[in-house]
Amino acid sequence: GAVVSQHPSWVICKSGTSVKIECRSLDFQATTMFWYRQFPKQSLMLMATSNEGSKATYEQGVEKDKFLINHASLTLSTLTVTSAHPEDSSFYICSGDPGLAKNIQYFGAGTRLSVL
Amino acid sequence: QKEVEQNSGPLSVPEGAIASLNCTYSDRGSQSFFWYRQYSGKSPELIMSIYSNGDKEDGRFTAQLNKASQYVSLLIRDSQPSDSATYLCAVKATGNYQLIWGAGTKLIIKP
Repeated sequence: GAVVSQHPSWVICKSGTSVKIECRSLDFQATTMFWYRQFPKQSLMLMATSNEGSKATYEQGVEKDKFLINHASLTLSTLTVTSAHPEDSSFYICSGDPGLAKNIQYFGAGTRLSVL
Repeated sequence: QKEVEQNSGPLSVPEGAIASLNCTYSDRGSQSFFWYRQYSGKSPELIMSIYSNGDKEDGRFTAQLNKASQYVSLLIRDSQPSDSATYLCAVKATGNYQLIWGAGTKLIIKP
């Protein structure tokens, strides 16, 4: 399957700081990338869908000014959590869709964010 | 609202037996269906995709799709302890590229 690289895998930051998470598709071009958040023992929650070169589409209840998404190229999307607070602590996972009409999403390894 | 339903489990199966996981969905227009496996603390990994009614086999895994009844299932033959994980059912939403996710079924394979 296709490979998605996500960094960092784990980050601890102080409340009020910003954190950037990178998501790269290594062997395919990701026309569409997705950002999810997952709290312990819960299922995936879609935060936003991003398409290369255009603004991300955020799900209801997700603050777009707090979770900045940039999809500058067909292989790179970034999520910046601005002014992070303890309630933002979660497991953030990106996925890429090669756009081959099979609608398969390939996931990065995820980033565990802990805000102190 | 489009939904995907799974029994949360845990489903406990003896090693070597067949594990059967089920999923129902509400969007009758859905055409793409997926099973992902997620180990604790890890991200989901694709196990199977299925697009047509019937069975699709890949090694020890068989996905079954019945669009008329709006259900999709995953069978795991010769279950191994390493199969212990949460299995997520996902259905592509009609009209966009998003996947609608079930809450997952926790599977435990007992040695």
